[in-house]
Amino acid sequence: DAGVTQSPTHLIKTRGQQVTLRCSPKSGHDTVSWYQQALGQGPQFIFQYYEEEERQRGNFPDRFSGHQFPNYSSELNVNALLLGDSALYLCASSRDRGDYGYTFGSGTRLTVV
Amino acid sequence: KNQVEQSPQSLIILEGKNCTLQCNYTVSPFSNLRWYKQDTGRGPVSLTIMTFSENTKSNGRYTATLDADTKQSSLHITASQLSDSASYICVVSAKVDSSYKLIFGSGTRLLVRP
Repeated sequence: DAGVTQSPTHLIKTRGQQVTLRCSPKSGHDTVSWYQQALGQGPQFIFQYYEEEERQRGNFPDRFSGHQFPNYSSELNVNALLLGDSALYLCASSRDRGDYGYTFGSGTRLTVV
Repeated sequence: KNQVEQSPQSLIILEGKNCTLQCNYTVSPFSNLRWYKQDTGRGPVSLTIMTFSENTKSNGRYTATLDADTKQSSLHITASQLSDSASYICVVSAKVDSSYKLIFGSGTRLLVRP
């Protein structure tokens, strides 16, 4: 039974570029949440997707957008990258927007140069 | 404002020693409190989850306590091992409409030395 899968594991981008990160939820889960974690800090909530719609959003600019597909997988897109976007991006999945069985992926390390 | 504060920020202990990490929260409405272990560059892994009515929960050498009246929690690690070196994050879940919102602390970075 696969857990939460994220790709790629590492990524280097240049300022101003755009990036897409991908997440496949744990089997049986239909809700995907995305987090940004700067070095030495706790994860910060970006947004949550359920039934292919954004349901909750944290305090992040519109440069951060997402999508959820019919198979429950999700993408996080960041436009016009800034140096400050360098972080570990975590995806977590759960069922029915609940918090039971909340499972994190191993993350994508994004470095903006 | 919903907040989770952890102390200390970092801790160094010798292998085999015990330690206790602290978590204070102001989160409403409270659903549950979790402790996660996060190895460097990896995703958090759940250690314990406690609801309002639970005072203590153990997972091997990890024991978490919860005092819902004072809104405090602790994570006690017994007979530490080198593999315990990681960040430990306290997370409080709040029920928001028909969903939940997880509020994260900044974590305690634990280093276990031989």
